[in-house]
Amino acid sequence: ETGVTQSPTHLIKTRGQQVTLRCSSQSGHNTVSWYQQALGQGPQFIFQYYREEENGRGNFPPRFSGLQFPNYSSELNVNALELDDSALYLCASSLGAGEVETQYFGPGTRLLVL
Amino acid sequence: AQSVTQLDSQVPVFEEAPVELRCNYSSSVSVYLFWYVQYPNQGLQLLLKYLSGSTLVKGINGFEAEFNKSQTSFHLRKPSVHISDTAEYFCAVLYNTDKLIFGTGTRLQVFP
Repeated sequence: ETGVTQSPTHLIKTRGQQVTLRCSSQSGHNTVSWYQQALGQGPQFIFQYYREEENGRGNFPPRFSGLQFPNYSSELNVNALELDDSALYLCASSLGAGEVETQYFGPGTRLLVL
Repeated sequence: AQSVTQLDSQVPVFEEAPVELRCNYSSSVSVYLFWYVQYPNQGLQLLLKYLSGSTLVKGINGFEAEFNKSQTSFHLRKPSVHISDTAEYFCAVLYNTDKLIFGTGTRLQVFP
């Protein structure tokens, strides 16, 4: 167990809807990163938050947005859902940013878009 | 740009046999490498990491990996596998100190 929790575990939405996924980081960690893992593929970096600010972003459109709260928990929001957004969404927490830190992953949220 | 290649999508092996899962990377800057394991319907668990120092890295569950700069490789090995090692294994490189770049994964299937 990494101490990183995510909710919900599973979610079903329809095309065009909006979704919010949540992540609680490991105690003492102030950095949260989000990844999308499509079926049969490796995880792809969406973005990272450090002390409530976006600290880096991957090749995802603006309809993917996030927040980090003062307690370092985080949300991933996806607007205007598309079928290809169906995937396992993983968050990872780490200690600090701008340093070489190990990322510890949560169990993920499996999103199905119909 | 950094990238990771896992050439073997699937590796079948019998229980108690040795196994090697291959990982090659491309990077023009300092390299920080990781292996993660993913059991069915679960998140990623860190197996081991190379940040600096000794090129032979030991991890959990009896796994080890060797960083080879000249061959740009970071292959994962275990001398004797168990049924419980059946899982998906991902090699990753840390880019720009914020994002992990993953390979496509290797499915290790251990047979009795």
